[in-house]
Order: sequence, then structure tokens, then C-alpha cells
Amino acid sequence: DQQVKQNSPSLSVQEGRISILNCDYTNSMFDYFLWYKKYPAEGPTFLISISSIKDKNEDGRFTVFLNKSAKHLSLHIVPSQPGDSAVYFCAATYGQGAQKLVFGQGTRLTINP
Amino acid sequence: SAVISQKPSRDICQRGTSLTIQCQVDSQVTMMFWYRQQPGQSLTLIATANQGSEATYESGFVIDKFPISRPNLTFSTLTVSNLSPEDSSIYLCSVETRTLYEQYFGPGTRLTVT
Repeated sequence: DQQVKQNSPSLSVQEGRISILNCDYTNSMFDYFLWYKKYPAEGPTFLISISSIKDKNEDGRFTVFLNKSAKHLSLHIVPSQPGDSAVYFCAATYGQGAQKLVFGQGTRLTINP
Repeated sequence: SAVISQKPSRDICQRGTSLTIQCQVDSQVTMMFWYRQQPGQSLTLIATANQGSEATYESGFVIDKFPISRPNLTFSTLTVSNLSPEDSSIYLCSVETRTLYEQYFGPGTRLTVT
């Protein structure tokens, strides 16, 4: 049972344009969502997060949108840069204390010059 | 942020043997986590390791196959026992952060079982 789904395994975007990565979830108990970025041979690095009490969180070029009714979140990167080329994982968790992160399958983003 | 190192970075092991992966953190942390990423799949939590107590395993993972040690607040090991080709994966450790929900990840150990 895949509770967090990223249905696009790959995405190609031109440099300078907007990249939109999507994520859907099924567990209504999730109350915190995160995006991680992963380069080859490295561990995932935290990028941005959002609590379920918000619908938008922005940090520089990165914005995460949450639509609770649709159980959908998206990550917008604008403008996209070549260094953004990586695999992006969506993750979700719930409850206080210990954090069991449930990850999606990842989307490989390629930024073309 | 915490700096996490893992050893080995990669290994090729024969079926039936075991591999022990080490995770070292540059600061004291209460909780450490071990994940597995099978080829083309998402990261899946294997277990949570607290210092001074038994690790807590997720559904589908058992201590006999994935024994974990947590001798102090900066170190943990994960052993993958009785290896089969299906164990070929990247194994990652992570630690909690002060923001609770976010985790810092190590670089991972790529295991190939032949």
C-alpha cells in the first residue's frame, strides 16, 4: 500500500522556467509534509516542508503547496537552475515525537540549458 | 546541521553472508533511523534505534534479519544477515533534528549481493 505517490518518475524542464513536482497521499492522518532532494551517491537533503494547517510555504525559489481536500501537494521551483537536477522525494508523517517518514518513489528532475 | 558518515560506502557480498554497516554522527542524537531504498523504489524505514533500548522495527522487518546496535549517542550499526540478491539496495541512516520532523541523512551504503 503506497501511501505517498509520485506518479511522474521523471521531468525535464528548460533552465529558467518553472518546475512543478507533484505528490499525492492517501493517509488522512498525515499532518506534515516534506520534500527532499537527492544527488547521486549522496543521502537525501531536506529542502522544504509544510504543516497541514497551511496551504503554502515559500523559501526562496522553492514553494510547496498543499491541497488537503485533494490530498495533493506540489513543489514549485522557479526559476529552475541546472543545479536543481536531482531526484526529488516527497515524504509525509504524523503525530508528535518520533518521526516515521513515509516517502514517495521520487521524481528525477532534469534541467536543460 | 549534523554530519553523518557511513561505512562502507558500497560493497559486493556473496549470498548467505552478512554485512554490517556503520553510521557515525558528529553530535549526540537521541534517535537514529535506518532506511532501505531498493532499486527504483522509495525509501522505506527499517527501524528506529534509541540509545539504551531495543530498536523498534517496522512491519516487514525483523531483528533476526536486520540486527541493530546503538551503543552510544553518536553511533549505530545495521547488519543485514543471510544475504540474498533481494537485499541488494542502498541502506541509509538518518538522525533527528531539533525541528523534530526533519531528518539528516547519511550518504548511504550501496549493497550488491551476488
